[in-house]
This record gives sequence, structure tokens and C-alpha cells, in this order.
Amino acid sequence: RKEVEQDPGPFNVPEGATVAFNCTYSNSASQSFFWYRQDCRKEPKLLMSVYSSGNEDGRFTAQLNRASQYISLLIRDSKLSDSATYLCVVNPPDDYKLSFGAGTTVTVRA
Amino acid sequence: NAGVTQTPKFQVLKTGQSMTLQCAQDMNHNSMYWYRQDPGMGLRLIYYSASEGTTDKGEVPNGYNVSRLNKREFSLRLESAAPSQTSVYFCASSDASGGADNEQFFGPGTRLTVL
Repeated sequence: RKEVEQDPGPFNVPEGATVAFNCTYSNSASQSFFWYRQDCRKEPKLLMSVYSSGNEDGRFTAQLNRASQYISLLIRDSKLSDSATYLCVVNPPDDYKLSFGAGTTVTVRA
Repeated sequence: NAGVTQTPKFQVLKTGQSMTLQCAQDMNHNSMYWYRQDPGMGLRLIYYSASEGTTDKGEVPNGYNVSRLNKREFSLRLESAAPSQTSVYFCASSDASGGADNEQFFGPGTRLTVL
């Protein structure tokens, strides 16, 4: 079983729509969670950390469900510039290493 | 402040050739990492260096070696390239030892093709 699993998509949505997707993780002891964004043929960049209480950053909302071991990302009022692959990332406890999901591709159309 | 730099950006090798991928960071980070990214598989850790002078194997170390030359530089060597090593290679660095602050900063990647 992969440590982090994501629906690869693609999610094709019109501008202004709301899109949401999840990822699941296997290590119940994991403590830190992140969403990274990767544009086509570019390097991944941190989008936001995911906190236990859930958190928002502008149009982006991240939620953590420890009981079911999943993390979600919701994008409101989608922009063309939101088109990217979103990587779910989990940091096991007391470890330098991050576990990356394969990514969910979002395409926002005009 | 360039962040994380990688050279070369593109490389084509023949099976059996060797090469070294270079990575440098100017953020004074302690930890550095090498990943490979293949379609549908996400980023997989090859080797990492938690601090200057230490290196450890990641998930897929076979066929690779690394050198943490100093705090800034972390190189990845392919001694005898194989077609299965065709991939995009990313170097990353971070200033944390794990936990919520473990943001990793990535270089632009090296696109390697082994024929």
C-alpha cells in the first residue's frame, strides 16, 4: 500500500467553480501534512501546511481528518492560474523525510 | 538569493555512461535531498543528507551514490546509467529536522534520458 494516495484526476472545472479533492495516508502516527503545487515541467512549491483544526489561505481551504486518515483541499472561485498538479505530502513523526502523493491534476477552463 | 540550483537542466546518456548531477543551495539549510519523479508515481526519495557530513539512503537508492561536499552542495552520481533511470531529478533542501516546519525548497530539476 502506498503511503500517500491521491485521485489523479484530472478535474476539469470552469472559472469561478469550486473544486475539492482528497488524499489518504497510511501512517496513523503522521504529524505534519502539506499541500504542494507543481506546474507543468516545474518544481513543486509549498502551497500550504495543513493543521488539525483546518486552515484557509485566501481561496484555498485545507482540512485534516485524523480518524479517517485523509486530507482535503478545496479551491473556491477557481482561476485559470490554479491549473496545476496538487501534491499531498505527509511527514511521519521524528523523520526528515516527506512522503509525496502522485498528485491530483486540476485544469481550470475559461 | 538563488535558492536551490541544479545543473545540468537536461542530459542524454547512453547506457553504461556515468554522470554527476550537481545541486547547491544558498539558504544555509542543514538538510538536502535527491528525488526522482516518474509519471504516475510521485516523488521518490533517492538519498538525503540530514546535515553536513551525513548521508542516508531513501526509498530508491540502487544505482546511485551521493556526496555532501559541504553545507551548500549535494551531488548525485550515476555510475553506470540504465534506461530505468530515465526520469526528472529534483534536489531539495530544508532547515528543519521534521515536523510542521519541514518545508522543502526544490531546485528546477534535471531531465535525464538514458538511451
